[in-house]
Formats: sequence, C-alpha cells, structure tokens
Amino acid sequence: EIVLTQSPATLSLSPGESATLSCRASQSVSNHLAWYQQKRGQPPRLLIYEASIRAAGIPATFRGSGSGTDFTLTISSLEPDDFAVYYCHQGSSWPLTFGQGTRLEIK
Amino acid sequence: QVQLLQSGAEAKKPGASVRISCKASGYSFTHYQIHWVRQAPGQGLECMGVIDPSGGTTDYAQKFQGRVTMSRDTSTNTVSLDLSSLRSEDTAMYFCARGAVYTSGWTLLDSWGQGSLVTVSS
Repeated sequence: EIVLTQSPATLSLSPGESATLSCRASQSVSNHLAWYQQKRGQPPRLLIYEASIRAAGIPATFRGSGSGTDFTLTISSLEPDDFAVYYCHQGSSWPLTFGQGTRLEIK
Repeated sequence: QVQLLQSGAEAKKPGASVRISCKASGYSFTHYQIHWVRQAPGQGLECMGVIDPSGGTTDYAQKFQGRVTMSRDTSTNTVSLDLSSLRSEDTAMYFCARGAVYTSGWTLLDSWGQGSLVTVSS
C-alpha cells in the first residue's frame, strides 16, 4: 500500500497570504496524484488531478506540482473561502490511498 | 450534470448490518467505477473498495474483506454498500465516488455523493 504523508498537519495563515502544502508518497505514483478540498459537512471537492491539472471551475490561484514521490499544492492570495482541509490522493495503484490531510486555518 | 445521490443517515446497534445506496445520474452508469470511501468523525478519508457497474466485479480493501459487499442494479443506476458485524469504530460518514479509469490504468475520483452518516451505538 502506498502511504501518503502530508505536511504540515495544520497551517495558520492570513487572507492574502500564500499557502504551500506538501504530500510525499512512500513510492512513486508517477503524476497520478490528486488534491481535494473538504469543508465541514461536505464531500471532498476535486481541485487538481494528474499532479498539476486544475479541475473544471477551479481558479488559477490553485497550482499543483511535482511527480514521482514529492508533490506540492500552492494556493496564492488566500481567500476566506479557501480555509478548509486539503487531502492528497493517489490513483496509481490499489488500494487507492489518501494523505491524512492538512488543515488550513485563519491566523 | 453528474450526480450521486446517497441514502439517508442510519443508526445501528453493534453486530447489526447496514445498507447504503448511491444512485447515479447524468452520465453513462456502466462507463465508470463507483468507489466507497469512509470518514470517521474528525478523521481522514479511507477507501473501502470499488465496484465496476459494467460487469459487477468488485475489489475490497483488505481491512474490510469478509464484512463488506458492494452490488449494483443497472436498471436503476444504483450501487449499494452492505457492511456487516458493525462495531462502534464503523461510525463514520460513507461517501460514494465516481472513478474514472484512464488508459494507463490510474483512477481519478472525480465526483462524490453527499455522504451517508452511519452511527453505531448500543
């Protein structure tokens, strides 16, 4: 099973700042990595897939990068609506796995 | 538009079984997998397994083998998750998610149901 490790667990920032979230895989997933945003009481929302492709309707302030085992989600100019929990997810091999999440909170 | 509509909340006693349904609309039902993912209160996301609605084939995460059954009804575009021998640790939100399988074999969960809360308590 591929283990995804996200860091940091919690990130405290102010609106207007930029956020950098990391995800490391225990073995290569090529670029088959996605990022999801989840708000309380809602299902996950797809942001990025194939490591760097924004899903439909996702603003350009969300940028994904990386390949192999190391990936980054960057959110520039944080809006109040961006404060949520973010998960990385690998679809490269079974079983599909998720990182434990990064909570992005308002400072 | 793609929609996955799940059944409502369930309250069960330890040892009981639960069935959750997920009705798909807005796309060709047999062209995409359906995955089940659960989330315990305040915790992360955990994949339980997958069903291919085309042939009904399933693959379950090792943790749930023996307790989980996934099935589909192509006449109603509905997938069901059955979980037996419930214990308190099974209290969670259960999500179905559409899985798109790409030519190189990787999977993307691109649309999600709203979730079904299962509470297990004596």
